Amino acid sequence: DIQMTQSPSSLSASVGDRVTITCRASQGISNYLAWYQQKPGKVPKLLIYAASTLQSGVPSRFSGSGSGTDFTLTITSLQPEDVATYYCQRYDSAPFTFGPGTKVDIK
Amino acid sequence: EVQLVESGGGLVQPGRSLRLSCTASGFTFGDYAMTWFRQAPGKGLEWVGFIRSKGNGGTTEYAASVKGRFTISRDDSKSIASLQMNSLKTEDTAVYYCSRGRPFDYWGQGTLVTVSS
Repeated sequence: DIQMTQSPSSLSASVGDRVTITCRASQGISNYLAWYQQKPGKVPKLLIYAASTLQSGVPSRFSGSGSGTDFTLTITSLQPEDVATYYCQRYDSAPFTFGPGTKVDIK
Repeated sequence: EVQLVESGGGLVQPGRSLRLSCTASGFTFGDYAMTWFRQAPGKGLEWVGFIRSKGNGGTTEYAASVKGRFTISRDDSKSIASLQMNSLKTEDTAVYYCSRGRPFDYWGQGTLVTVSS
């Protein structure tokens, strides 16, 4: 099965900072990559699909890029409400594996 | 408005069974694959399995960790997807979520399953 890894596992940044999270697939998955945000005690929320397409209603400070095996989620200006754990997920074919998550908090 | 509501969670002893339901509204249920995910306390997200729409064969696929123990079914007339969980283990303790389609744009609020003696 294809494995998904993320880095870093956690980060602390200041309000207004640019934040970048990396996701890597052990084999190519084309652009079948989604990013989710999960705030503590809440349901995961789809942020980006097809590696770079912003889900409706998601703020434009979130963006995604990549294809094949290497992907990136970028928050251009970190806001207090962005404190959450971020997961990448492959959805090209089952099993629809998630990365281990990246916990983002405010410095 | 799309809504997914899970039910059926609770406390169950190891080795016993439990059936979860996901009741959908606000979209044409039969047009979508339905997927189950879970999240153990303090852990990450795990895909459990999914069932394709009838138009795509209605077939199912499962994670290796639950294959042979869990079964997903659907009743398009009632807009319900179900997860039958047999031979439950303590490591199945988690919040279980249902979601629609692919990518997984809507999720239910989740239902907690606790497997403990």
